Amino acid sequence: QQQVKQSPQSLIVQKGGISIINCAYENTAFDYFPWYQQFPGKGPALLIAIRPDVSEKKEGRFTISFNKSAKQFSLHIMDSQPGDSATYFCAAFNAGGTSYGKLTFGQGTILTVHP
Amino acid sequence: GAGVSQTPSNKVTEKGKYVELRCDPISGHTALYWYRQSLGQGPEFLIYFQGTGAADDSGLPNDRFFAVRPEGSVSTLKIQRTERGDSAVYLCASSPMSSSSYNEQFFGPGTRLTVL
Repeated sequence: QQQVKQSPQSLIVQKGGISIINCAYENTAFDYFPWYQQFPGKGPALLIAIRPDVSEKKEGRFTISFNKSAKQFSLHIMDSQPGDSATYFCAAFNAGGTSYGKLTFGQGTILTVHP
Repeated sequence: GAGVSQTPSNKVTEKGKYVELRCDPISGHTALYWYRQSLGQGPEFLIYFQGTGAADDSGLPNDRFFAVRPEGSVSTLKIQRTERGDSAVYLCASSPMSSSSYNEQFFGPGTRLTVL
């Protein structure tokens, strides 16, 4: 069962543009939503994360928007740079219950930023 | 400081063989996770260790997969009678501690397993 759905699969943006990646989840027990960035040959690295008690979190050029009622969240990359070209994964985490400890990832979005 | 390291970086084996994949977590991290990442997909949870014990092994696909962490540090993922469908990147992550709140998981570079 795919509990976190991510779109689009791939995204091409011009330098300076805005990149937007969307995720939707099913399990209302999720209570922490991180975004990971992965470069080829490397493991995923935490980029930014949000809890469902806030609707938006901004860190530099990266912003998460969260809609709890719609069970959706998105990553916005402002002023996209060629160095942002990577695969981005949304994820969800449930601190309680039997899911404790594991991250559930989306399918990933390959972002390409053209110079 | 040193991050999570995994060895080997690449492993090619033949169908039916046994393989071991090693993970060295960040020093002092008590929580350790194994994930499997198939081509074009997000990582999928396999098993979570808190100290030496497996707190959650619900993601292991079948009994051919087994993982140990005997001294609460290094972990080994063992796959018996490998199948072509086991081909994937196996990621290890560690976290400072387990608690009721989220602790960032730091990922290693992964081991790319190819079963011919």
